[in-house]
Amino acid sequence: GESVGLHLPTLSVQEGDNSIINCAYSNSASDYFIWYKQESGKGPQFIIDIRSNMDKRQGQRVTVLLNKTVKHLSLQIAATQPGDSAVYFCAENISNTGNQFYFGTGTSLTVIP
Amino acid sequence: DVKVTQSSRYLVKRTGEKVFLECVQDMDHENMFWYRQDPGLGLRLIYFSYDVKMKEKGDIPEGYSVSREKKERFSLILESASTNQTSMYLCASSLWGTGSTDTQYFGPGTRLTVL
Repeated sequence: GESVGLHLPTLSVQEGDNSIINCAYSNSASDYFIWYKQESGKGPQFIIDIRSNMDKRQGQRVTVLLNKTVKHLSLQIAATQPGDSAVYFCAENISNTGNQFYFGTGTSLTVIP
Repeated sequence: DVKVTQSSRYLVKRTGEKVFLECVQDMDHENMFWYRQDPGLGLRLIYFSYDVKMKEKGDIPEGYSVSREKKERFSLILESASTNQTSMYLCASSLWGTGSTDTQYFGPGTRLTVL
């Protein structure tokens, strides 16, 4: 399978600060990416997605950046809140492989009040 | 909102038992998936289905089978449970058919323990 990895397994931030979570992917044919949030004991929750014809997409307090040159994806969370504490992982879909995704192992974000 | 439900949040079974995990989605999605999630390994695809009565093996199908008799329901079956199948099992669904890509929506997960 494809290798989708995260640079840091854990991240601690102060409440109110911005958080940046990174993800590296290895297949240049990957054309669709999703960030998920998974709280303890729950299933993954869709946060934001981006297609390879874009390099930035913004949602509510979240921004995803895609750098295809270095095959890097990041999730930025503005004004991090205690409710943002969770595991975040990225998923990539490789063009023409149908609806199969490859998932990273995740970064655990802890927000310090 | 998309809703994916799984029949149990927690299950405890004994080695050798036959185990059924049920998943239902209410958004008329064509695609359904079963993953297992283990610490340090991320999500690994067991089986998926693009249509009723259709199934495809994922990356780790050994020891599992699936059934999709109705579009909204996708069942994962452990014919003879083993301790190495202790894991969190996640079901997901997505909208489009083969060759397309769309967001996968997940259920809450079933934490299965095999003793």
